[in-house]
Amino acid sequence: AQSVSQHNHHVILSEAASLELGCNYSYGGTVNLFWYVQYPGQHLQLLLKYLSGDPLVKGIKGFEAEFIKSKFSFNLRKPSVQWSDTAEYFCAVNEGRGDKLVFGAGTILRVKS
Amino acid sequence: NAGVTQTPKFQVLKTGQSMTLQCAQDMNHNSMYWYRQDPGMGLRLIYYSASEGTTDKGEVPNGYNVSRLNKREFSLRLESAAPSQTSVYFCASNPRDRAQETQYFGPGTRLLVL
Repeated sequence: AQSVSQHNHHVILSEAASLELGCNYSYGGTVNLFWYVQYPGQHLQLLLKYLSGDPLVKGIKGFEAEFIKSKFSFNLRKPSVQWSDTAEYFCAVNEGRGDKLVFGAGTILRVKS
Repeated sequence: NAGVTQTPKFQVLKTGQSMTLQCAQDMNHNSMYWYRQDPGMGLRLIYYSASEGTTDKGEVPNGYNVSRLNKREFSLRLESAAPSQTSVYFCASNPRDRAQETQYFGPGTRLLVL
């Protein structure tokens, strides 16, 4: 069965620091990759996704992620975080033509102002 | 356009009680999903429905049943609640039966089983 690993469960950063959250998956075939975010008290919402094409994907609020097939990775980055980025971030993967997402355990990001 | 709505927002049950969590979407999406979210475990799929009239088990279906009442509504039933079912439950929908499209999530139902 497919699995998704997020390397850090809790990350604390100061405002303006750079962010990189790791995500690795286990499936060797064609995959679609997603990052979802859950702000305190809000719904999960899509941050960005990779379906095909350019492996560097840009999302909302200045986030980007790079799909590296050889490393089975889809790391999330932001050059300068803000206090409003405090949230829980989830990496998710689905296999090729599958209709089910497999989520990682999540990373809780706290940004200190 | 309300998106995905869930009721109730919060519920406390005693062990052995039953209840149904309701989910509805007004986006005319084909696929709907039920997840549970537990600390340190992310979201795990309980059941999903690729289209009206069809349902399939996900990763953690034991202790749950679902019903796709129509295209809009997908309910989750706990027949005999157990403390291990204490969790936050999220419903989601997807415009097609392939998860290449975005899943849209509801606000969640917090369930506490004593």
